[in-house]
Amino acid sequence: LAKTTQPISMDSYEGQEVNITCSHNNIATNDYITWYQQFPSQGPRFIIQGYKTKVTNEVASLFIPADRKSSTLSLPRVSLSDTAVYYCLVVGAIPDQTGANNLFFGTGTRLTVIP
Amino acid sequence: DSGVTQTPKHLITATGQRVTLRCSPRSGDLSVYWYQQSLDQGLQFLIQYYNGEERAKGNILERFSAQQFPDLHSELNLSSLELGDSALYFCASSEGSKGGTDTQYFGPGTRLTVL
Repeated sequence: LAKTTQPISMDSYEGQEVNITCSHNNIATNDYITWYQQFPSQGPRFIIQGYKTKVTNEVASLFIPADRKSSTLSLPRVSLSDTAVYYCLVVGAIPDQTGANNLFFGTGTRLTVIP
Repeated sequence: DSGVTQTPKHLITATGQRVTLRCSPRSGDLSVYWYQQSLDQGLQFLIQYYNGEERAKGNILERFSAQQFPDLHSELNLSSLELGDSALYFCASSEGSKGGTDTQYFGPGTRLTVL
């Protein structure tokens, strides 16, 4: 069971880069790391997914070291609208092995961006 | 707008009652997921269906049941309701072709209040 551990909350000032780290010591060979963002009273929204090294899209970057036991979501130059809860998930890639344990969202990291 | 629709938006009922929540997935998506989000519990995975068949089961109580119909919409049935069942219930859908690494698209949720 590749559960994840991430900080409960973080504060940041507008315009700064924010890095949220997630630990997943029991990650399996076929597992991917996925991050979702959730605003109050809305459903989570996919941000980024990666397997190793670095992945970047228009919203964020995801850094995964060689041992894959942790990952870091990087949000460049955050704004007030980035205030949200960020969830790190470790999910299995093989369809037949997808199970409940791979859909563990936990309580996430509550990011508050301060003006 | 994720393309996932959920009805009703709000539901208020009494203890001991039974309710049905409905979800229509994005066009073309074969997988439907149900989640419960309470104030202090984070996002809890309940159950997943893929093309009409149950694929994965999470922390779903025996009083709860779900199904996915031939047109791929899904319903979550909650019976013998208790005060503690008050929560936001989210439905998500995905293509269903990549197992756990599918991007999930979440609906706006149904807020259930049990009095």
